[in-house]
Formats: sequence, structure tokens, C-alpha cells
Amino acid sequence: EAGVTQSPTHLIKTRGQQATLRCSPISGHTSVYWYQQALGLGLQFLLWYDEGEERNRGNFPPRFSGRQFPNYSSELNVNALELEDSALYLCASSFGQAGVWLGYTFGSGTRLTVV
Amino acid sequence: SQQGEEDPQALSIQEGENATMNCSYKTSINNLQWYRQNSGRGLVHLILIRSNEREKHSGRLRVTLDTSKKSSSLLITASRAADTASYFCATDVLNSGNTPLVFGKGTRLSVIA
Repeated sequence: EAGVTQSPTHLIKTRGQQATLRCSPISGHTSVYWYQQALGLGLQFLLWYDEGEERNRGNFPPRFSGRQFPNYSSELNVNALELEDSALYLCASSFGQAGVWLGYTFGSGTRLTVV
Repeated sequence: SQQGEEDPQALSIQEGENATMNCSYKTSINNLQWYRQNSGRGLVHLILIRSNEREKHSGRLRVTLDTSKKSSSLLITASRAADTASYFCATDVLNSGNTPLVFGKGTRLSVIA
């Protein structure tokens, strides 16, 4: 069974550009979570999608957005990139809201570097 | 703000020793989970303890939960060099509706061979 897959593995962008990160959940999982892990700050919650709907959003500006497709894969878009957006972006999936009591399965992340 | 705070931030031990990491949290929870992250990679779920449980074991891992003190500890016995990683606690906040797991900042464990 394939795990959670994220692409690309690494992404280098210039300040002001847009970045698109992709995530494919484990087959059967309907929830996708996005977290940002900047150096020394732990995991900061970004977005949660379930069954194509946004369920919750973390304390991030509107230039962080995303969507979930009918096949439950997800896309995270970051517009007007700033240097402080440089971080490891982690995607996780779960069986709907059961993730909070069963645990999440994480992908290996996308390392975004803004120069 | 972080719900969970791990302590210590970094820990270095010799192979074969036990490693203990602590997690404190602020609000009541349904459960607490521990995850492991190898350098720059995704997190791996290790163990989950529910709010009505006090202790749980899985292989060389032992987790305790003290809801009165809002704290948990993760003990890794007979550590190995392969245990070198960062360890995070994550909490499912009680009565929080559509709130996902909230992670702490992690403890970096180095096991020296």
C-alpha cells in the first residue's frame, strides 16, 4: 500500500512568486492536513480538508490557500512568497475525523526555499 | 500558541541507556499521541494514550499520562543509535470541534554509539 506522497521533494522559488505543493493521501483516507515546519518552531497547522471541504484553517494569512480534489488529493498554494515561508511543508492523511483518535500518516514533506 | 511543550529540547545519551522525554499541555484532552521524525522527513506515529489511561507500552516504548498535571512522558528503554530522531507529542483537545492535532516543538534525541 502506497503511503502519503508529496511532490515536489524540494522547491526553490524567488520572493514574490507562487508555489504549488501537492499531496496524495493513503487510499481510502478522506482527510488531508497541511502543516508548516519552520526551523525551531515545531509544526504549525495550516489547513484541513475532508471530503472536498475545508474543515479548519490555522492562523496563516490568506495567501496560503488550498483545495482538495474528488480523488482526495490536495494542493497547497502559497502566493506572494516571502523569505519566512521557507520551511518543510508536511501533509498528513487520515480516515476522516478519525485522525484525531487514530493518528495521522505523514508524507515526507516538501522543502520550500524562498530566495 | 503551542498546546504541547516537550522537555528537554535536546537530549544526548549513550547507546543502551534509557531516554525520557516529557510533554506538558495546557487544556483538557481526549488523547495524546507521540510521533517520531527522522531528520528532515515526515513524522511517524508511535503510540496513542487516551485520557482515561495512565500508562501504555509498545515494545521499548512506555508512555505515561497524568491528566491532573497535564503532562505525559515517553520512555525509550535500551536506546539504540537508530533511535536518534526528534520526538513530538500531539494532543486532541477536548470539546474542540473540528480542531486537528496540535503538536509541540519536539525533543531532539541523539543516541551515541
